Amino acid sequence: QVQLQESGPGLVKPSQTLSLTCTVSGGSISSGSYYWSWIRQPAGKGLEWIGRIYTSGSTNYNPSLKSRVTISVDTSKNQFSLKLSSVTAADTAVYYCARAGYSSRAFDYWGQGTLVTVSS
Amino acid sequence: SYELTQPPSVSVSPGQTARITCSGDALPKQYAYWYQQKPGQAPVLVIYKDSERPSGIPERFSGSSSGTTVTLTISGVQAEDEADYYCQSADSSGTYLVFGGGTKLTVL
Repeated sequence: QVQLQESGPGLVKPSQTLSLTCTVSGGSISSGSYYWSWIRQPAGKGLEWIGRIYTSGSTNYNPSLKSRVTISVDTSKNQFSLKLSSVTAADTAVYYCARAGYSSRAFDYWGQGTLVTVSS
Repeated sequence: SYELTQPPSVSVSPGQTARITCSGDALPKQYAYWYQQKPGQAPVLVIYKDSERPSGIPERFSGSSSGTTVTLTISGVQAEDEADYYCQSADSSGTYLVFGGGTKLTVL
């Protein structure tokens, strides 16, 4: 059974960089049959796709966040990571990591989510 | 930027049929996916590729597509189906993914 688990600071100061890691267990992140995404959800609001990374290292980012986002993968640790720079209060949200298959292109496994608050 | 449009809310009585729509210009070209999210929980996939149902999802959940609109249908709604539902798809190039704004399903 595949499991995803987000980890990282729950509090980040304005203008700093938000850094989160998603650890994948129960399967290899480098199997090549999936891509890995970050998705966020401000309290009481909808889901927003942040970006994705393929095991090749190729990435796609939400155009609205592209200038501030970096997603990377560490196959040796079975992890992928998110960095979001120059954060403001508008970046306060629950951040999810999720897996999608090349074939189905559906997010079939999600982490439980982690709340990140941007505040001084 | 590309957007998917959903009604904010849908209400139905138990046993009735709920239909939640999602509209987007690229939907004739890109598949749609539907997720159910209950309070405090991560989303759960209920429909993929417009109308396919993952294993473990009840048969009362179905999906359909017509032109620029996709529809999630829940037949014989049960109290446990009360949740937020999100459609998800991609822009016409398939490069950028997008979620609809979500629909709150209330079971009266």
